[in-house]
Amino acid sequence: GESVGLHLPTLSVQEGDNSIINCAYSNSASDYFIWYKQESGKGPQFIIDIRSNMDKRQGQRVTVLLNKTVKHLSLQIAATQPGDSAVYFCAEKGLTGGGNKLTFGTGTQLKVEL
Amino acid sequence: DTEVTQTPKHLVMGMTNKKSLKCEQHMGHRAMYWYKQKAKKPPELMFVYSYEKLSINESVPSRFSPECPNSSLLNLHLHALQPEDSALYLCASSQDEGTTEAFFGQGTRLTVV
Repeated sequence: GESVGLHLPTLSVQEGDNSIINCAYSNSASDYFIWYKQESGKGPQFIIDIRSNMDKRQGQRVTVLLNKTVKHLSLQIAATQPGDSAVYFCAEKGLTGGGNKLTFGTGTQLKVEL
Repeated sequence: DTEVTQTPKHLVMGMTNKKSLKCEQHMGHRAMYWYKQKAKKPPELMFVYSYEKLSINESVPSRFSPECPNSSLLNLHLHALQPEDSALYLCASSQDEGTTEAFFGQGTRLTVV
């Protein structure tokens, strides 16, 4: 079936470095691709989204890139801080046969080393 | 107020018990969701309510029964659960069903014994 998945389960970076978290998707019909962050003991928190007709979108310290040719999504975090330590999920949203769903991928644990 | 409040935070129940999870938001959102999350796994969609009507049921077993009494409240009634139903149950809301930004509560950690 359709799925949204991630390449790496764990990513360790030094404080101050840039982080890149990758995600592969298979549902070409998705309208939006989204990144969520989940800190320990909390629910997921929206970070940024990108519409399927765009290639790049920037937020505060974050950039999302969408490559539809290879069905690849990435989240770049500039100057990674200890507070960025969390699990990052890519997600997709779009109308399917069953309705307008937000479906999460498998998640990447980002660890920021001091 | 950008909070989604879930109660209780923790719940231990026997397989013959009946319990309810509660969720509340005061952001005026018209879509509300229940997700189930197992350890180290992504949240899995269970139900979607849109304008207080059930919009999506992801083939969830009938021992889980959702209810939306009004636009601010969402309940999940539990009955005759199995140990494998133990998980973190997350409630979320969004402006409407098409919005990508969903606000999640902290979840209810459910243990079925």
